[in-house]
Amino acid sequence: EADIYQTPRYLVIGTGKKITLECSQTMGHDKMYWYQQDPGMELHLIHYSYGVNSTEKGDLSSESTVSRIRTEHFPLTLESARPSHTSQYLCASSDSRKPYTEAFFGQGTRLTVV
Amino acid sequence: SQQGEEDPQALSIQEGENATMNCSYKTSINNLQWYRQNSGRGLVHLILIRSNEREKHSGRLRVTLDTSKKSSSLLITASRAADTASYFCATDGNQAGTALIFGKGTTLSVSS
Repeated sequence: EADIYQTPRYLVIGTGKKITLECSQTMGHDKMYWYQQDPGMELHLIHYSYGVNSTEKGDLSSESTVSRIRTEHFPLTLESARPSHTSQYLCASSDSRKPYTEAFFGQGTRLTVV
Repeated sequence: SQQGEEDPQALSIQEGENATMNCSYKTSINNLQWYRQNSGRGLVHLILIRSNEREKHSGRLRVTLDTSKKSSSLLITASRAADTASYFCATDGNQAGTALIFGKGTTLSVSS
């Protein structure tokens, strides 16, 4: 079983609020990812990190930011939530020291902005 | 985007039948992976195929990879109702610092 956790599982907030989605893993993985998943299923990479103090933006332009101060923690922050941010957010991690290894996913955070 | 299309988008079959899903990608890869997702929850890894491999088996799963065509297929044999889920392929690039990029997925429905 994967040791990667996302909180909260569900969140309903008002427009304009600042929120932080939490993601933690206990596997010592150096790579971590945030994906946004449409209701129609497609996963869009929004941010990733390959180590402490290294973050990169993904293909999907998003008004969100991430930080990687500790190996195990990769929070995602929306400074001002909008209804268009309503989606499922999935966090994942992998070990780049093993070139042929899979990513492990958290259970996701379902965000609704009203 | 590094990733291409998966087809079909949706597939409905009867128990016992085989299910085949296809995936295409755009850039060179280190490996290609297939994942399963139940009811919008987190994804679970199924199988990984390296760029220098052409076919791989795991239980009822068979994956093929054609790097010349930049495509892969996932075959699930003797499908069961419990196989009902969404299936995604993901590519891992050659260069350091690349991210895992997913396709659009195929929704499989297996009826008994």
